[in-house]
Amino acid sequence: SQQGEEDPQALSIQEGENATMNCSYKTSINNLQWYRQNSGRGLVHLILIRSNEREKHSGRLRVTLDTSKKSSSLLITASRAADTASYFCATDASGGSNYKLTFGKGTLLTVNP
Amino acid sequence: NAGVMQNPRHLVRRRGQEARLRCSPMKGHSHVYWYRQLPEEGLKFMVYLQKENIIDESGMPKERFSAEFPKEGPSILRIQQVVRGDSAAYFCASSPLGEDGNEQFFGPGTRLTVL
Repeated sequence: SQQGEEDPQALSIQEGENATMNCSYKTSINNLQWYRQNSGRGLVHLILIRSNEREKHSGRLRVTLDTSKKSSSLLITASRAADTASYFCATDASGGSNYKLTFGKGTLLTVNP
Repeated sequence: NAGVMQNPRHLVRRRGQEARLRCSPMKGHSHVYWYRQLPEEGLKFMVYLQKENIIDESGMPKERFSAEFPKEGPSILRIQQVVRGDSAAYFCASSPLGEDGNEQFFGPGTRLTVL
């Protein structure tokens, strides 16, 4: 598997439910970022969590980071139809080239009204 | 403060033609990155530039692809003699610094279709 791999690949939930997406990576990182991409559109930055942080909140978003397991999760609470999009995690490797973001294939989230 | 601007948003080329993709970073950002996204895939790093300098082009194919970020004007990603496999979405991102912990802000992308 590649660096920054998300699971599940697709997730379908009802409006109001919570959505949890996971990301695993292989090498040591400085930071992990989550992005959202609506179909056929650009990426919207959601949140950045540093390697020395364990949890971060932004509105209805909660991100956790477990560096011992090399994994992160993105929780969207009280989901809305407008949250329907693909969600990507991106990592930057520690030591050198830390500007080079590595993305997974993303989780396609569908929130049904 | 306008975000990262890319143009054109959609570009159609026939095999063998040249494609020129433009990116204007956010105001105050001097670091530009280009990524390519193939269908159903995540973004793949291509090149990192600062004004008048290519810092890292390790993700860019050795032939037909080139990038520049001149002192004045937008960054340009140029693809010569395009082939069908070049069809993809090309995203530009910018950041104020190239160092650790800086968020990269992405443009809307240019969707290149090679006929």
